[in-house]
Amino acid sequence: KAGVTQTPRYLIKTRGQQVTLSCSPISGHRSVSWYQQTPGQGLQFLFEYFSETQRNKGNFPGRFSGRQFSNSRSEMNVSTLELGDSALYLCASSPLRGANEKLFFGSGTQLSVL
Amino acid sequence: GDSVTQMEGPVTLSEEAFLTINCTYTATGYPSLFWYVQYPGEGLQLLLKATKADDKGSNKGFEATYRKETTSFHLEKGSVQVSDSAVYFCALNAGNMLTFGGGTRLMVKP
Repeated sequence: KAGVTQTPRYLIKTRGQQVTLSCSPISGHRSVSWYQQTPGQGLQFLFEYFSETQRNKGNFPGRFSGRQFSNSRSEMNVSTLELGDSALYLCASSPLRGANEKLFFGSGTQLSVL
Repeated sequence: GDSVTQMEGPVTLSEEAFLTINCTYTATGYPSLFWYVQYPGEGLQLLLKATKADDKGSNKGFEATYRKETTSFHLEKGSVQVSDSAVYFCALNAGNMLTFGGGTRLMVKP
């Protein structure tokens, strides 16, 4: 059974650009969550999608957005990139809603903003 | 708000030494508690969890007990191996999202 797949693995962008990251959950999993990992702030929750609807959102500005498709694949978008957006973005999937379920994490997308 | 505090690393141990990584939390209500592990270049993996007071989570020789009276969930292992070298994250679930501690890097030397 394939794990959570995140693409691309690495990205380099410049300030002001926008970026789209992709996450394919484990087959049969309907919940996808996104987390940002930085050395300074650690791991922070961005949002959760379930059945194509955003169910929960962390404390991030509106420049961070996401969506989920009918096949449960999810994308997150960051517009007007800032240097501070440089981070490892992790996606996690689970069969059902909620963080009490075992979350399966992908290897992440490392975003560098220059 | 909810928060998790972990001991800062790195923690450097010799193989077969005893491991303790401290974790305390602040939360309203009765959150579920987790330990996740991150190996180099990989995402996080759930190591163990406990969902109510006095529960003990265990996996691969690691253990942690949910202590409501001290709001703690310390991770222990009796004999560490080089392959245990990784970053360990304590986390709680409140409001259907995980709140993580800052992570503790463990380095085990042969």
